[in-house]
Amino acid sequence: DAGITQSPRHKVTETGTPVTLRCHQTENHRYMYWYRQDPGHGLRLIHYSYGVKDTDKGEVSDGYSVSRSKTEDFLLTLESATSSQTSVYFCAISEPGQANTEAFFGQGTRLTVV
Amino acid sequence: KNQVEQSPQSLIILEGKNCTLQCNYTVSPFSNLRWYKQDTGRGPVSLTIMTFSENTKSNGRYTATLDADTKQSSLHITASQLSDSASYICVVSAREDNRLAFGKGNQVVVIP
Repeated sequence: DAGITQSPRHKVTETGTPVTLRCHQTENHRYMYWYRQDPGHGLRLIHYSYGVKDTDKGEVSDGYSVSRSKTEDFLLTLESATSSQTSVYFCAISEPGQANTEAFFGQGTRLTVV
Repeated sequence: KNQVEQSPQSLIILEGKNCTLQCNYTVSPFSNLRWYKQDTGRGPVSLTIMTFSENTKSNGRYTATLDADTKQSSLHITASQLSDSASYICVVSAREDNRLAFGKGNQVVVIP
């Protein structure tokens, strides 16, 4: 497995509470991504980062914020968790620039908002 | 509208048999097309990656094909094993911004 670690792996939280998920990489890849995966949907992009302090929104960014203060860490924050944010969250990394660049995924974080 | 469509959504096959999964995409221009395998409870793992100039790529019993003119790809599994039970996801990378467009996956169940 590529050097990607997501933490925590599982979390149960109450509606309205803040939650932060962490993605840590040891590959020094420039791009990092946060996706959510729900039944009946493919992986959907929440936010991504193309460098330290450089981030952009994905297709389902409402209710989420991200931060990347150093190359190896990409944080996803739910400021006030809602039940619709119950999902499995995946972090991915890539180093674009070549047509056959690879994207590697973490093991996922299962978040339940009750 | 989803830019990557996969079919069939799910299928059940007998151990030892072959199967073919389909992926149609509209992403254009595209940089590469990948097939991932995702076991239950785990992250996706890359099987093959093809650029627009490649039309076939193998990884063991997995063979992917690509027709960039018709924007179609297939993943062929030969002599299926129980461990092939998983979701297979087609992912297309856009050339201009490297964003990834995901299909919803083909759920394969291999039974003895």
